[in-house]
Amino acid sequence: DQQVKQNSPSLSVQEGRISILNCDYTNSMFDYFLWYKKYPAEGPTFLISISSIKDKNEDGRFTVFLNKSAKHLSLHIVPSQPGDSAVYFCAASALGTGTASKLTFGTGTRLQVTL
Amino acid sequence: DVKVTQSSRYLVKRTGEKVFLECVQDMDHENMFWYRQDPGLGLRLIYFSYDVKMKEKGDIPEGYSVSREKKERFSLILESASTNQTSMYLCASSSLAGKVYNEQFFGPGTRLTVL
Repeated sequence: DQQVKQNSPSLSVQEGRISILNCDYTNSMFDYFLWYKKYPAEGPTFLISISSIKDKNEDGRFTVFLNKSAKHLSLHIVPSQPGDSAVYFCAASALGTGTASKLTFGTGTRLQVTL
Repeated sequence: DVKVTQSSRYLVKRTGEKVFLECVQDMDHENMFWYRQDPGLGLRLIYFSYDVKMKEKGDIPEGYSVSREKKERFSLILESASTNQTSMYLCASSSLAGKVYNEQFFGPGTRLTVL
């Protein structure tokens, strides 16, 4: 059962435009969410996170929005740049899952930013 | 900078072989994780460890075992490799004292092919 879903496997956006990547979750215990970016032949790297007590977190060109009632989060990249082309994974965690702080990952969305 | 290294970038093994994947982190992190990444399935957690000699099953532990004899090293073992274990294997570590809650740092991955 996929508890974190990214329903769009791929997205193509023109350079300079906004990229919006979406993520849905089913587990109401999740209270912290992260976005990771992955280039081919490299491990994922952390991008931005948000706690469930907030509905928005911004870091430069990247903003994450959280809608708890809809169990939905989104990552906005403005403006999109060719270097943003990568696979983006959303991940979720819940307090009380043990000391290891497990993350549950989505299936990923491949973003391609075209010139 | 946190560094997570994995012993091999590419590995080719035969069905039935015993396979060892090694992961080392240099930031004194308490938690270590093994994932596999497959197209359309995202990152799935195999095993994790929150302390030396401690281990817990993730979502897909069947066919795998792990060993953590030292804090900095976490090994993934395929007792008898099978073709359905052909995948990208990613190791990660995290600290409970990290500045970003639950941020995991990933190694570059090992692409394992089982023939």
